[in-house]
Amino acid sequence: GQQLNQSPQSMFIQEGEDVSMNCTSSSIFNTWLWYKQDPGEGPVLLIALYKAGELTSNGRLTAQFGITRKDSFLNISASIPSDVGIYFCAGLRDGGSQGNLIFGKGTKLSVKP
Amino acid sequence: DTGVSQNPRHKITKRGQNVTFRCDPISEHNRLYWYRQTLGQGPEFLTYFQNEAQLEKSRLLSDRFSAERPKGSFSTLEIQRTEQGDSAMYLCASNPSGRNDEQFFGPGTRLTVL
Repeated sequence: GQQLNQSPQSMFIQEGEDVSMNCTSSSIFNTWLWYKQDPGEGPVLLIALYKAGELTSNGRLTAQFGITRKDSFLNISASIPSDVGIYFCAGLRDGGSQGNLIFGKGTKLSVKP
Repeated sequence: DTGVSQNPRHKITKRGQNVTFRCDPISEHNRLYWYRQTLGQGPEFLTYFQNEAQLEKSRLLSDRFSAERPKGSFSTLEIQRTEQGDSAMYLCASNPSGRNDEQFFGPGTRLTVL
């Protein structure tokens, strides 16, 4: 099935460093969502974005809805060990099915204390 | 706990057997979704319900798969004549009607077909 292009695939960073990851598509999206998934668990919603250009924060997390509506970015500031996990972008495509979230393949984040 | 719940959390079965999973959405959430996630991939949409009506099915949902939500509350996903390729995490999500964006996921059911 269709998936979003998410990069990087994995990151190994030192505790305290900032993290950036992004998600791109060839299609226009109306909504972008960022989820975090721990091993053996379901994805947990972090941030939701609804308008092009929108910048939204949730604690140390900041995400942006790209102006072209074809991309989104997630930044994590001052990473801590509990940030470890897989981060997924997901979106609702313009003209697509209601509720059919399309996901990226994830960015696996490892944090060295 | 008022989140989405799924049972069982793990299921190991032999090829050719039938399996059934259950999802209990967040109460008052009209919409319920099923996704499948294989190793190293993001979740892929299978189907969704608004109340008891199944409104969409993905091409991934072969004729061996059937989902129901008879009373508009909990849902079941059945896989008949399981194949090794069915091994995956099956995720359920829900949200209130009119908010088809923020979907809240359950912990998933991990299926292993031997």
